[in-house]
This record gives sequence, structure tokens and C-alpha cells, in this order.
Amino acid sequence: DIQMTQSPSTLSASVGDRVTITCRASQSISSWLAWYQQKPGKAPKVLIYKASSLESGVPSRFSGSGSGTEFTLTISSLQPDDFATYYCQQYNSFSRTFGQGTKVEIK
Amino acid sequence: EVQLVESGGGLVQPGRSLRLSCAASGFTFDDYAMHWVRQAPGKGLEWVSGISWNSGSIGYADSVKGRFTISRDNAKISLYLQMNSLRAEDTALYYCAKDITSSPGGYFDYWGQGTLVTVSS
Repeated sequence: DIQMTQSPSTLSASVGDRVTITCRASQSISSWLAWYQQKPGKAPKVLIYKASSLESGVPSRFSGSGSGTEFTLTISSLQPDDFATYYCQQYNSFSRTFGQGTKVEIK
Repeated sequence: EVQLVESGGGLVQPGRSLRLSCAASGFTFDDYAMHWVRQAPGKGLEWVSGISWNSGSIGYADSVKGRFTISRDNAKISLYLQMNSLRAEDTALYYCAKDITSSPGGYFDYWGQGTLVTVSS
């Protein structure tokens, strides 16, 4: 199975900060990567698909980049609503795998 | 509006069985693949199983292979997960999720709110 490794596990930031989360795949997944946001007690919500495409309705402060094995999610200016846990997910193979998550906390 | 509503969770003893259901609405169910994803308390997301639109393609995580069976009934617009030989480590919130493609080849654009399965004696 393809392993997905996210870093950092926890990130402390302030409103207005630029935030970057990294996701590495154990083998090439081309651009078959999605990013999800999950808030406590809620289901995950997709933000980015195909590594860099913004899902409809998602604010433009979210962006994704990368291909192959290295990917990043960037929030250009952190807003109060963005404090949550973020997961990457590969969909290059039938057996999907998620990163372990990155919790974005208030500094 | 797309809705996915899971049911069937509960407290079950180790070794016993449970069947989860996911009722779908707001989209053409038999046009899309579907998945089950679980989340143990305080932990991350784990893909469990996926099924293509016509049940022709099915896959499982190694952790549940041979114990869980995914199925769907397009006439009843429902997805199922039969869970046998349950273990304590199967304790989790189980989400039903919709694939963006008909074969299980895409990301998940809609999720249910989950049904909690607790395996304990």
C-alpha cells in the first residue's frame, strides 16, 4: 500500500499567518491527491483535488501544489474558521490512504 | 442536496457481527462508486472499503479483509457494510462517502455524519 506522511502533526499559528502543510507519498501518485478539512464532531470536507484544483465553494486562500511524491497545502492568510485538522489522501490506487493529519491550532 | 445517512452502529461484543447501512439521496446513486471510511476515537481517517457503481469492482483495507463485506443495492439507493469477527480495534466512527467517479478511482466529495461502532465486552 502507498503510505502518506504529513508534517507537521501539529501547527500553532495566528490569524493572518501563512500556513503550509506537507504531504509525502511513499511512491509516485502523479497528481492524484486530495486535501480535506475536518472540524471536531464533523465529517471531513474536501478542499483540494488533483493536487492543485480548488473544490467549488472553497475560499481562494486555500491552494495546493506538487506532483509525484511531494505535495503542499497552503493557507495564504489563516482565518478563525480555518482552525481544524487537515488530511491528505491519495487516490492513485484503489486502496486509498490518508495522511495522519495536521492539527492547526490557535497560537 | 446530497445526503448520506449512516445507521446500524452500536455496542457489540468481540467476535460478533454488525451490519451498517448508508441511505443516499440527492444524486443518481448508481452513477457513482461508494466507500466506507472509519475514524477511531481521537485518531485519523482510515479507508475501509470501496465499491464501484455496479458492484463489479470491490476493495478492502488489509485490516478488514476477510472479515468485512461491502455491498450496495442500487434499487434501494443504499450502501452496506457487513462486519464479522469484530475486534476492539474496529471501534470507530464509520463514515459513508461518495466517490466522484463510477469506478472507485476518485476523491470523496460528500460524506455522511457517521455511525459509531463500539466493540467491547
